Amino acid sequence: GAVVSQHPSWVICKSGTSVKIECRSLDFQATTMFWYRQFPKQSLMLMATSNEGSKATYEQGVEKDKFLINHASLTLSTLTVTSAHPEDSSFYICSARGGTGNIQYFGAGTRLSVL
Amino acid sequence: GEDVEQSLFLSVREGDSSVINCTYTDSSSTYLYWYKQEPGAGLQLLTYIFSNMDMKQDQRLTVLLNKKDKHLSLRIADTQTGDSAIYFCAEGNDYKLSFGAGTTVTVRA
Repeated sequence: GAVVSQHPSWVICKSGTSVKIECRSLDFQATTMFWYRQFPKQSLMLMATSNEGSKATYEQGVEKDKFLINHASLTLSTLTVTSAHPEDSSFYICSARGGTGNIQYFGAGTRLSVL
Repeated sequence: GEDVEQSLFLSVREGDSSVINCTYTDSSSTYLYWYKQEPGAGLQLLTYIFSNMDMKQDQRLTVLLNKKDKHLSLRIADTQTGDSAIYFCAEGNDYKLSFGAGTTVTVRA
């Protein structure tokens, strides 16, 4: 089946530093990748949609300079949380669309804790 | 805009069937999905149904779609302790998905 790998699974960083999260589709080419944020006991909130080789489309209220997305190839997208602050602490999940049925497949998520 | 609603909690005895319900508002949805999330993990695609289908069965899972009422359900037969998780209903098209708040399913012995 379609596999999406997300790294790291957990990161702790100091306030003011930047953190990069990688999302890879391992056995299919992803035409589009998505980045979500999930708060405890809540649903997923779409942050942005990225297509390979073009600028990401951000949802309303999401700061594009804060959350930098790069989609360099059909199998890799990265999310960089710049100058992270404690309020950025959250569970970030990526998904990749592709494979049979053009379905969205999700990574395992990255738990970010900013001290 | 899109709106997906589902009940927040379901408690079921081991071996019984579980039924999780979901309603949505966007009639242009192409796909409807069920995802499972275990604690601290990402979302696992359980099953999906195209909007022109009424029913889909995959082993212990049965999805029913009533397009007229915009109602989607997931039935899990012979529920096991490993089925305890949060189940998300989602609807969407080629561009994006909208998720419900998730139903926490607790399986008791």
